[in-house]
Amino acid sequence: ETGVTQSPTHLIKTRGQQVTLRCSSQSGHNTVSWYQQALGQGPQFIFQYYREEENGRGNFPPRFSGLQFPNYSSELNVNALELDDSALYLCASSVTALTEAFFGQGTRLTVV
Amino acid sequence: AQRVTQPEKLLSVFKGAPVELKCNYSYSGSPELFWYVQYSRQRLQLLLRHISRESIKGFTADLNKGETSFHLKKPFAQEEDSAMYYCALIEKGAQKLVFGQGTRLTINP
Repeated sequence: ETGVTQSPTHLIKTRGQQVTLRCSSQSGHNTVSWYQQALGQGPQFIFQYYREEENGRGNFPPRFSGLQFPNYSSELNVNALELDDSALYLCASSVTALTEAFFGQGTRLTVV
Repeated sequence: AQRVTQPEKLLSVFKGAPVELKCNYSYSGSPELFWYVQYSRQRLQLLLRHISRESIKGFTADLNKGETSFHLKKPFAQEEDSAMYYCALIEKGAQKLVFGQGTRLTINP
């Protein structure tokens, strides 16, 4: 059984640019959630996808968007990057929204 | 709004001493609470959830609805317990985990 994998591991972008982060869910999991973790803070929920449909959203602006594919892998897209978007982005997959979430190792995004 | 508070950002104890990591929550309804742990250079992983009432790696946590607390305890700390610990609850309507800010636990030899 493979775990949750995220790519890339690190990324540096310029303010105003767009970025796409990728997540491969654990085998058998059809729910994926994305979290933003700023330095010194706990993870903050961005949104969740279940069977390719958005299933919940946190307090993030529309420039944060996502996709889930038929194989249950997922993307997080952020447009018009701001300096405050610099953070660790975590992907977590689970069998359902209320079962144990398995986290990836994260993508460290730095916006300069 | 649902909230999880971990009042201690840093906690340092000696090996063999008891450990208690505090967690308080605000939630309207029956909460489902978790402790997640992140060891150095490893990913965030589930340590325990209150509904399973398990003891994992010697840690236990009791849900106290009167005090709205879910403190994590271990009677005798070990050096390998040094890690970042996050308390979290599931906000069921929003289908999301709400995390506290985390407590960095350091076990001194």
